[in-house]
Amino acid sequence: DTGVSQNPRHKITKRGQNVTFRCDPISEHNRLYWYRQTLGQGPEFLTYFQNEAQLEKSRLLSDRFSAERPKGSFSTLEIQRTEQGDSAMYLCASSFVGRNNEQFFGPGTRLTVL
Amino acid sequence: DAKTTQPNSMESNEEEPVHLPCNHSTISGTDYIHWYRQLPSQGPEYVIHGLTSNVNNRMASLAIAEDRKSSTLILHRATLRDAAVYYCSEISGGSNYKLTFGKGTLLTVNP
Repeated sequence: DTGVSQNPRHKITKRGQNVTFRCDPISEHNRLYWYRQTLGQGPEFLTYFQNEAQLEKSRLLSDRFSAERPKGSFSTLEIQRTEQGDSAMYLCASSFVGRNNEQFFGPGTRLTVL
Repeated sequence: DAKTTQPNSMESNEEEPVHLPCNHSTISGTDYIHWYRQLPSQGPEYVIHGLTSNVNNRMASLAIAEDRKSSTLILHRATLRDAAVYYCSEISGGSNYKLTFGKGTLLTVNP
């Protein structure tokens, strides 16, 4: 399967713990995006990378959140000191610059903070 | 951020056409209109996009109003597999990357 993959698919954690999610984009895609989706809402943009450079961060991304894409391939999203309000689906997407800007989404990681 | 508005839900019968509307009240001249859909327990899937002219692809057609303040996604013959939440969105002007989603329209297809 050459689509976008995300791991883990589900994560349950206790408030105050740190969690890290991984996204593996489609191999030739140079843009990678993170979105967050809560129940009944559409996805909300968090941040995006072009190659290894993080070019924009939404104001939704508090200082407890950090994202990296160290070699311009896979990306990680870490949440420190999780809060119950962080419970959501975290979606990763990738695209190739200039190719219609069609974004290919992964299946998401569902985070539940107890 | 760009704002779109859509009906919360719509219903259709199998093999009938479906017209899903979207209002783009704050769209600017360089913003592309994109449509995605999301099946249960999956990430969103690209459907179609356009700027000013109507567009067709194998999945759907997109009709864009002349003033670009509204668009309509057309599924020519709905199937049970088309049951999903449909989102219209805009690529933010000048940025060429960030999708802004509304709450979407839940489409139910009756057999």
